[in-house]
Formats: sequence, C-alpha cells, structure tokens
Amino acid sequence: DSGVTQTPKHLITATGQRVTLRCSPRSGDLSVYWYQQSLDQGLQFLIQYYNGEERAKGNILERFSAQQFPDLHSELNLSSLELGDSALYFCASSVTGANTEAFFGQGTRLTVV
Amino acid sequence: GENVEQHPSTLSVQEGDSAVIKCTYSDSASNYFPWYKQELGKGPQLIIDIRSNVGEKKDQRIAVTLNKTAKHFSLHITETQPEDSAVYFCAASIPGSNYQLIWGAGTKLIIKP
Repeated sequence: DSGVTQTPKHLITATGQRVTLRCSPRSGDLSVYWYQQSLDQGLQFLIQYYNGEERAKGNILERFSAQQFPDLHSELNLSSLELGDSALYFCASSVTGANTEAFFGQGTRLTVV
Repeated sequence: GENVEQHPSTLSVQEGDSAVIKCTYSDSASNYFPWYKQELGKGPQLIIDIRSNVGEKKDQRIAVTLNKTAKHFSLHITETQPEDSAVYFCAASIPGSNYQLIWGAGTKLIIKP
C-alpha cells in the first residue's frame, strides 16, 4: 500500500458526460501529480500541484482541469468525455516537487461508452 | 525538449537469467533518473534511482548504470524470478522544470519458468 488513495477505482460513463476523480496523497506529501495511462501505453503527465498551487502542466486537454484543496487532496475533472478518454488515471504524491520518490495510487479506470 | 527512448518494448528471459533494459535521454542537463516497476493492476512503484553524480547504483539483484557522455542509463536485473514479471518504466528529469520527469514508453518483462 503506497498510502495514496484514489477513488473511485472504476468508472463507466457515457460520452459527453463529466466526471471527477479524487486523490488523497500520503500523509505529509505536499505535491500531487496526475497521469493518464491508455491501454498498453506509457505514462502521460497531465498536471502537478504543490501545496495548493499549480506547479507544472503537461499534455492536459482543455476539457480537463484539476485542483488541490487546503487539506491537500486533489480532484481531476474530466468533461465532455470522448471515447478516447478511456484510460487509467493515476495520482501520485511526493514530499516536494523535486526529484524525490513519487508514490502512486492504484489508479481509477475510466471507461467512456 | 527532453525525450526518453526505452528499449526493448518487450523482453522475455528465462528464470534465473539476467535482464537489461536501456534508456537514452536527449538533454545532457538531466540529473535524476528513476526506474519504476508496474505490476498488473497496480500503480508504478520506484525500484531504484540514480543521480548524475553517480555512475552506478546497486540494490540486491537490481542495478542501474549511467553513462552521461552517451546519455544513456540501464536497468540490470540479475537472477530473475517470476515476481520480476512486470512493466518497467525509466524516466529522466527535465532541467529547469522543478524536476519534472519525462517517461520512457515502458518495457514488458516476461520471466519464463
């Protein structure tokens, strides 16, 4: 158990809908990262937050947004969903935003039908 | 920008033999190189990392070597065991980006009994 909690584990929704994925980082970790992993693909970095502020942006679509709350949990919002958004979405946390170990959650498997 | 290439995409070795996975990076200023292991149905987990001031690091059956001149680093697993079967990802830090990572595409390691 990495200490990072993601909910829900599975999500099935229709095209055009909006969903929210939630992540609780490890106790004491200030930095949260979101990644997308499509079937048999690598990890695509979406966005990073550090202590409530956006720190870095990767290949995140405009239809997607995220935030980190004062209690440090984070939410990833995906809207106007398309079939191609079906993927595993991972959250990871680390103590800082620097080159330290990132701990990954179990992921949320999103299926858009 | 920084790019990381990982080879091979799939590697099948006999149990007990060694496995080597190689990655090359493009930005000579990268200075942090972690390796993550992703087992089926789980999030990636850090198994070993190396910084640019070190040429080799070892942890039991796992070792990582770094050649800064050639800009490549490799993961070596000796005496492979069935539980080593997984997808392995290399990554390299992006200079000047608060140590964001660029990820390789992953290597599926299959240990044959």
